Amino acid sequence: AQTVTQSQPEMSVQEAETVTLSCTYDTSENNYYLFWYKQPPSRQMILVIRQEAYKQQNATENRFSVNFQKAAKSFSLKISDSQLGDTAMYFCAFMKYFGNEKLTFGTGTRLTIIP
Amino acid sequence: KAGVTQTPRYLIKTRGQQVTLSCSPISGHRSVSWYQQTPGQGLQFLFEYFSETQRNKGNFPGRFSGRQFSNSRSEMNVSTLELGDSALYLCASSLQALNTEAFFGQGTRLTVV
Repeated sequence: AQTVTQSQPEMSVQEAETVTLSCTYDTSENNYYLFWYKQPPSRQMILVIRQEAYKQQNATENRFSVNFQKAAKSFSLKISDSQLGDTAMYFCAFMKYFGNEKLTFGTGTRLTIIP
Repeated sequence: KAGVTQTPRYLIKTRGQQVTLSCSPISGHRSVSWYQQTPGQGLQFLFEYFSETQRNKGNFPGRFSGRQFSNSRSEMNVSTLELGDSALYLCASSLQALNTEAFFGQGTRLTVV
């Protein structure tokens, strides 16, 4: 079974600063996907960024980028130039490449952007 | 394009009752997954349907069941409700069989009293 661990329950950062959220996972699979999802207060969860394990290049989406370290089973999310709208719960998630179409989530990090 | 729609948004039920939650996926999406979100357990996978077939089921008791219709809409049912079933139930839909981009609804907040 796969497990996903987010060791930072809460974080806060000043607007415009950079913040990094940590995620580690445990799996015996070689092919899989990793995701960061954002859940703003009282709003639906949305996909922030996705990383395929077979790709060595780290994924980026505008101000969001990841540091994927496959050997260390680490998958951190960096948010640059943070904005008030980034305030949300952030969940790291794992999905096997084949045969098990479910997301395994971490416990989440509550991120607050301070004006 | 309309997003994933879950109804109702809020629900209060009494212990022992049963409840049915509905999820309408994004048009064209054939995969629907259900998750339970609680402060204590976090987000846990319930089940996933693709083209009316349940492909995966999480570790929940048999009181939790679901189905998917030919138009891809899905329902989940919880029978003999317990206080511990109080949670936010999230539905996610995706276009392909491999859910590499799941779109979530706003959820149904179920409170069991």
